[in-house]
Amino acid sequence: GAGVSQSPSNKVTEKGKDVELRCDPISGHTALYWYRQSLGQGLEFLIYFQGNSAPDKSGLPSDRFSAERTGGSVSTLTIQRTQQEDSAVYLCASSGQIQETQYFGPGTRLLVL
Amino acid sequence: TQLLEQSPQFLSIQEGENLTVYCNSSSVFSSLQWYRQEPGEGPVLLVTVVTGGEVKKLKRLTFQFGDARKDSSLHITAAQPGDTGLYLCAQGGSNYKLTFGKGTLLTVNP
Repeated sequence: GAGVSQSPSNKVTEKGKDVELRCDPISGHTALYWYRQSLGQGLEFLIYFQGNSAPDKSGLPSDRFSAERTGGSVSTLTIQRTQQEDSAVYLCASSGQIQETQYFGPGTRLLVL
Repeated sequence: TQLLEQSPQFLSIQEGENLTVYCNSSSVFSSLQWYRQEPGEGPVLLVTVVTGGEVKKLKRLTFQFGDARKDSSLHITAAQPGDTGLYLCAQGGSNYKLTFGKGTLLTVNP
């Protein structure tokens, strides 16, 4: 079956612009996670959605970052007024009944010039 | 937040050699996961270890969980170029969100 998909695969933007990153989880998975992977910092948790519950936003680094999940499926991560330090790979993962098993997408590589 | 330290950071070996990479913490793990990430892809779960002293095998990969559940190791026998990748250990927290180590970047040369 189809895995987690993310788009775009690569994004180059100018400092100060807004970007939107999309994640399509595995069909039927109720849990969705966003992580960020950058040089020197490794992989860091950003935000978690589970069904209709309020999201866990404890990993978002600043109020320029936000995410939503529409209809319990597709999620969009938005970064406003991008900064050069936002350059990283943004990974999405989803999980189903066995929440310990997360399936990752290929990521969106964001470069802020 | 529990910090996971992985070593070595980089490892370059020849095909056929054996290797071990490590994941350590100052705190006890409830469980620990190992992932492999290839270039341009997301991490893929290899194994979850839960019980202190546990050993799991996955073909040429052997995973050990320390008796005190504060350390883990991954041993690869007769490494192949296809084993090349970033090996990450991760600890699950509340809401199952994962805390990752910084990884060991393994290169297996033919």
